Amino acid sequence: DAGVIQSPRHEVTEMGQEVTLRCKPISGHDYLFWYRQTMMRGLELLIYFNNNVPIDDSGMPEDRFSAKMPNASFSTLKIQPSEPRDSAVYFCASKLPRGNTEAFFGQGTRLTVV
Amino acid sequence: QQPVQSPQAVILREGEDAVINCSSSKALYSVHWYRQKHGEAPVFLMILLKGGEQKGHEKISASFNEKKQQSSLYLTASQLSYSGTYFCGTLTGGSQGNLIFGKGTKLSVKP
Repeated sequence: DAGVIQSPRHEVTEMGQEVTLRCKPISGHDYLFWYRQTMMRGLELLIYFNNNVPIDDSGMPEDRFSAKMPNASFSTLKIQPSEPRDSAVYFCASKLPRGNTEAFFGQGTRLTVV
Repeated sequence: QQPVQSPQAVILREGEDAVINCSSSKALYSVHWYRQKHGEAPVFLMILLKGGEQKGHEKISASFNEKKQQSSLYLTASQLSYSGTYFCGTLTGGSQGNLIFGKGTKLSVKP
């Protein structure tokens, strides 16, 4: 398997624009996570899905953030409208449901909002 | 609740040892350790489960004290390649989804 695939790798956008980040999890992984990484806060869990269903979105910072998983092989994280403080690296990760299994991370999307 | 890691940063010479600690205010089901190099994604090192099961790296060891809700990562005879930021992630209860990470410990190994 190619691993968790995220796109784009880098995104530069102007404040107020809509941004969509994409993720393809590893086939067969029931859990999908979205994390945001900044120097100040480290790796923050934004939301996670189990079998395409959002289970906990309490980490989503504001209503400007939304995430979907229309099928087992695709998820999006959308920010609308974007603000400079959203600048960060966003990671997607996926995991099997068993307790002794690790999460596999994608390479991340570096978002810069100017 | 985010686990707390200590120290925040450590500098070593090659061959020296280091211990990174992770503690939680909640009862833990499992502890996950990852290492991240600059500009890269976190990479899995080890899982420790309640009850003693472990899975992970051959050259790095860890402990898990369920009663104290703490885990420690032991890096012995450090190599230059050990440099990076180490994160502990915790799962509480039976959930496999709420994988919450600490803020990380930055390890620098010098020649």
